[in-house]
Amino acid sequence: DAGVIQSPRHEVTEMGQEVTLRCKPISGHDYLFWYRQTMMRGLELLIYFNNNVPIDDSGMPEDRFSAKMPNASFSTLKIQPSEPRDSAVYFCASSLTGGAWEQYFGPGTRLTVT
Amino acid sequence: AQSVAQPEDQVNVAEGNPLTVKCTYSVSGNPYLFWYVQYPNRGLQFLLKYITGDNLVKGSYGFEAEFNKSQTSFHLKKPSALVSDSALYFCAVRDRPGDMRFGAGTRLTVKP
Repeated sequence: DAGVIQSPRHEVTEMGQEVTLRCKPISGHDYLFWYRQTMMRGLELLIYFNNNVPIDDSGMPEDRFSAKMPNASFSTLKIQPSEPRDSAVYFCASSLTGGAWEQYFGPGTRLTVT
Repeated sequence: AQSVAQPEDQVNVAEGNPLTVKCTYSVSGNPYLFWYVQYPNRGLQFLLKYITGDNLVKGSYGFEAEFNKSQTSFHLKKPSALVSDSALYFCAVRDRPGDMRFGAGTRLTVKP
């Protein structure tokens, strides 16, 4: 199993530009999570999906952030327009249904907005 | 609301000595508790979990954790630390699907 796949691994963009981060969860997993990690705020849950449906997006910081999951094998997190304070590492994770199942994390996308 | 606390930002131990990374939790129902490790420039990696049953849970790389309901704790332990164990460790709690809460993390440094 390839694990959770994220692309790109690194993204450098200028303020005001649109950024799209991509995630492919582990096959068969029906939960997908997007996290953001910074030194100041630690690991923050942004949004999660169950069976491709967004369940809780209360962690999405602003309307500039949006996430979609058009099918069971693909999700995107979009920031438009991007700002320097969005610079962080963004992780995607997936898990099987039920509270007892651990989440499996992707390698992350390091976003730098200049 | 469920939450976890990791009271130590940093733990330093000498190689070969036992290590403990502390975690306390707060949850209204029965907790599902997890430990993850993060190496530099990598995603979080699952180490072990407590669901029910034996209070001592064994996981990857020789790590274990002890669930203590009366003290609401779930400390991570290893009998003999390795330099390669140096990393960032996260405790997490989950009492319903999807809603996993992570602690702030504890940086473990094992010195030769």
